[in-house]
Amino acid sequence: AQKVTQAQTEISVVEKEDVTLDCVYETRDTTYYLFWYKQPPSGELVFLIRRNSFDEQNEISGRYSWNFQKSTSSFNFTITASQVVDSAVYFCALSEESQGGSEKLVFGKGTKLTVNP
Amino acid sequence: ETGVTQTPRHLVMGMTNKKSLKCEQHLGHNAMYWYKQSAKKPLELMFVYNFKEQTENNSVPSRFSPECPNSSHLFLHLHTLQPEDSALYLCASSPSGSSYNEQFFGPGTRLTVL
Repeated sequence: AQKVTQAQTEISVVEKEDVTLDCVYETRDTTYYLFWYKQPPSGELVFLIRRNSFDEQNEISGRYSWNFQKSTSSFNFTITASQVVDSAVYFCALSEESQGGSEKLVFGKGTKLTVNP
Repeated sequence: ETGVTQTPRHLVMGMTNKKSLKCEQHLGHNAMYWYKQSAKKPLELMFVYNFKEQTENNSVPSRFSPECPNSSHLFLHLHTLQPEDSALYLCASSPSGSSYNEQFFGPGTRLTVL
């Protein structure tokens, strides 16, 4: 069975601090995809990044960066120079194709990030 | 309208009521999903429709009944719910049911069962 663990339930930082959100996953599949989503107070989840299991290159997008390490089954997310607008709940998710051919996303419990001015 | 829309945004219902949640996507996608988000629990996948066919029912109680009349619309019919069914119900869509595709989410319906 798949499992996604986000051990940090809540994190609070002051603006301009760097913050890393941890994600550890479990799967028996060799082909899988990892995602990060952001859920602001408005409620809808916003897609941030997708990474496939064969691509261990780290990625940087502006102030966001992701560190995928297959050896430790981790896919951590770092926000550099955090801003108040980064305050949200962040979800890590693992996807695989089910037997029915459809995608199944398994989510972690989320990490609530509060960035204080 | 763009993206994924959900109506109503908030719903309060009694345990004997029958109501329906509606989801509409304007992205030309072929797969649609219902998720339940409860406090202190991970998002739970409920149903998946791929090209209007249900391909996943994640052991959801029969008091939740999905309907997908076409690739753009998805409904969740509710009847004789329990207070523990109170949650945020999120709809999502993706280009197809492939695990490669990211899902696009609607804003959710906040359901309260009294």
